[in-house]
Amino acid sequence: EADIYQTPRYLVIGTGKKITLECSQTMGHDKMYWYQQDPGMELHLIHYSYGVNSTEKGDLSSESTVSRIRTEHFPLTLESARPSHTSQYLCASSEWGDNSPLHFGNGTRLTVT
Amino acid sequence: KNEVEQSPQNLTAQEGEFITINCSYSVGISALHWLQQHPGGGIVSLFMLSSGKKKHGRLIATINIQEKHSSLHITASHPRDSAVYICAVRSYNTDKLIFGTGTRLQVFP
Repeated sequence: EADIYQTPRYLVIGTGKKITLECSQTMGHDKMYWYQQDPGMELHLIHYSYGVNSTEKGDLSSESTVSRIRTEHFPLTLESARPSHTSQYLCASSEWGDNSPLHFGNGTRLTVT
Repeated sequence: KNEVEQSPQNLTAQEGEFITINCSYSVGISALHWLQQHPGGGIVSLFMLSSGKKKHGRLIATINIQEKHSSLHITASHPRDSAVYICAVRSYNTDKLIFGTGTRLQVFP
């Protein structure tokens, strides 16, 4: 049973639209992450947060933005979607500590036409 | 060269076979994760290791810190084990996860 939820599961949208991908977790984790994954490729970190009002850009340059107003909620926003944003977006969370496992959401598969 | 390399990239097996997936890394790490990704895209954490060996059901994960190598073994493989298995290491310096490209496993009945 998932304790981290992503919506929508699938999204097809036209170029230029603003979209927000939702991610919520009920485990009280401080650390949350957004990863981007193209088919058959490795995950790339695009944003992360270590707590409320803390957000950082990841290793992969992204035109998206994130916010962390509440511990449980870490939405990702694209102000103007482009076909190059077509990808799968995975949200994850963990507790502090090197020995904390990662919990992943089921992902949002985004297609921009 | 990627900092995390997995082999093989693709693997097919008959049901019941013993399977080994390998992961080598080139950075200093604080932990290594083995993850399972099913065709729907969701990812499940299988193991997190910083030393030695862990076992969960038919799955065994080992790590050799000196050799910077980890293996994931599946005993008595089953078609439901078909998935992509991903190795990820947490960099000691940056605290960030570095992912391998995954090993695609197909187990046939």
